[in-house]
Amino acid sequence: DQQVKQNSPSLSVQEGRISILNCDYTNSMFDYFLWYKKYPAEGPTFLISISSIKDKNEDGRFTVFLNKSAKHLSLHIVPSQPGDSAVYFCALNTGANNLFFGTGTRLTVIP
Amino acid sequence: NAGVTQTPKFQVLKTGQSMTLQCAQDMNHNSMYWYRQDPGMGLRLIYYSASEGTTDKGEVPNGYNVSRLNKREFSLRLESAAPSQTSVYFCASSSRKGSYGYTFGSGTRLTVV
Repeated sequence: DQQVKQNSPSLSVQEGRISILNCDYTNSMFDYFLWYKKYPAEGPTFLISISSIKDKNEDGRFTVFLNKSAKHLSLHIVPSQPGDSAVYFCALNTGANNLFFGTGTRLTVIP
Repeated sequence: NAGVTQTPKFQVLKTGQSMTLQCAQDMNHNSMYWYRQDPGMGLRLIYYSASEGTTDKGEVPNGYNVSRLNKREFSLRLESAAPSQTSVYFCASSSRKGSYGYTFGSGTRLTVV
């Protein structure tokens, strides 16, 4: 049973517009939430994170929102740039030695 | 700036053959991990090593063994490869147990025929 779901396999956005990537989870024990970015033929790279005591964390063009009551996490990228084109994974942790990854969303930013 | 280095990058095995995937990190991290990525699924944890001298099973350990050779190196062994083990394998490290920003290697693409 998939504990972490990214229901949109792909997303296309015009350059300069906002990209919104979503992630839903079922386990209320998750207490730390991360986003990773992955380019082809490379490993995932850590992008931004948020702990369960917050509902928003911002880093430059990237903002992560957490809605614990809805068990929903989102990543906003604004403005989107062609270099942002990649696969984005949400990853969740309960404090134990395992990150639970979503299935990924492929973002394409169209110039 | 090496980070996490995995070898080989590509490998084709016949069913029943064995091989070892190598992983080394130069960041003095304590914890190391092996994940596999399959189409339509997220990365899934195979084994991890919270610190030198310890290893533990993850979500999908069957068919694999690991060795934490020293603080830098963590290898993954397939004793008798099966087509179901065709996947992309990623090694990762983190500075301490519970540290969440893992550093990943670039992956090993393994095909078992």
